[in-house]
Amino acid sequence: AQRVTQPEKLLSVFKGAPVELKCNYSYSGSPELFWYVQYSRQRLQLLLRHISRESIKGFTADLNKGETSFHLKKPFAQEEDSAMYYCALRRAGTALIFGKGTTLSVSS
Amino acid sequence: DTGVSQDPRHKITKRGQNVTFRCDPISEHNRLYWYRQTLGQGPEFLTYFQNEAQLEKSRLLSDRFSAERPKGSFSTLEIQRTEQGDSAMYLCASSLGGDRGYEQYFGPGTRLTVT
Repeated sequence: AQRVTQPEKLLSVFKGAPVELKCNYSYSGSPELFWYVQYSRQRLQLLLRHISRESIKGFTADLNKGETSFHLKKPFAQEEDSAMYYCALRRAGTALIFGKGTTLSVSS
Repeated sequence: DTGVSQDPRHKITKRGQNVTFRCDPISEHNRLYWYRQTLGQGPEFLTYFQNEAQLEKSRLLSDRFSAERPKGSFSTLEIQRTEQGDSAMYLCASSLGGDRGYEQYFGPGTRLTVT
């Protein structure tokens, strides 16, 4: 079965602390993985994808095929990072399969 | 072009009524997707168009649901004989095709409440 699991509903950290949002997936083929973010009162938008291997807003994510994980990391959280984060898997070039999301709350 | 738009933004209807939602994608995007999101869940795929052709439908899309994209531009999603379980946020997204189609651009959603 194709599935994306985000084990944490809520992650609360202090400003400047490291952040790791966990994502595990189940997929039989070669997965294409993404992180989408939804800031308060804004639309869901792409944050990053595993193929690009780039850092966006200080966030990085590495695909670990052995552990079937795609965790999102940032070394120093900022208050503006507070948002809902969704890990997603794209199958066969079409629709996205989303996890349930993790709310990141960064406080000062 | 201000991105993907959806209309209406909110809809309250009584059980048993029919409702129709509209999605206008980004103009040069040939792919259009519908998702449904309920409280505490991520978006769930409903259906997908490439131009005017509906290429895939989820098993979530019961017989009461129908989607069209008649000219390969805007799309409509109709729910007949609504049930309370249909209450959700309905999201539309669009993308380019091929290798450039990895990024889906989402609309603001239509929130449906069935009373």
